[in-house]
Amino acid sequence: GAVVSQHPSWVICKSGTSVKIECRSLDFQATTMFWYRQFPKQSLMLMATSNEGSKATYEQGVEKDKFLINHASLTLSTLTVTSAHPEDSSFYICSARAALWGNYGYTFGSGTRLTVV
Amino acid sequence: DQQVKQNSPSLSVQEGRISILNCDYTNSMFDYFLWYKKYPAEGPTFLISISSIKDKNEDGRFTVFLNKSAKHLSLHIVPSQPGDSAVYFCAASPTGNQFYFGTGTSLTVIP
Repeated sequence: GAVVSQHPSWVICKSGTSVKIECRSLDFQATTMFWYRQFPKQSLMLMATSNEGSKATYEQGVEKDKFLINHASLTLSTLTVTSAHPEDSSFYICSARAALWGNYGYTFGSGTRLTVV
Repeated sequence: DQQVKQNSPSLSVQEGRISILNCDYTNSMFDYFLWYKKYPAEGPTFLISISSIKDKNEDGRFTVFLNKSAKHLSLHIVPSQPGDSAVYFCAASPTGNQFYFGTGTSLTVIP
């Protein structure tokens, strides 16, 4: 149980276009979704936190107009990279938590490798 | 600013022996800690956790030790198995909500 399906697994897009990444909780209700980004040889860095039905909270230095997060339902959260540039090329991964799990109940998607050319 | 550090990028251990993975953090407000394991092409999977009210938590072959005064935690795997070969991340949080991750340690268990 507690599976998060993330897709696409990898995507290549042209500079200036937008890319949407989806994370779906398959067998639980994800009240909170976290979006992380990982550059090569660096750690996972939290980008934003979203709670179902409310606006996402972005970490310092993350442009909210560039990385649009929607968490409209308890089973789906999306991250849209708008007007992507080569420097946005990275590994993006979501993590979901259900309200019943307390502080330690996290499950991750499999990640999306974004390459902007 | 890296608040959680895993200074050993890789570790090799013989099957059956103990694997010890280390993690240091700088923020004294961190009270919740996690270890994750990641296989290639897969997302991280939760392994074990500990909160600052404890200094040890055990789950089967996995034990996490927390030394809050030293801002250090470690993961012990005994006995190590080839299937344990993966990248291990430690993560810390002040609230149990948003976590800050280390850069990972790649463990190779040699049969």
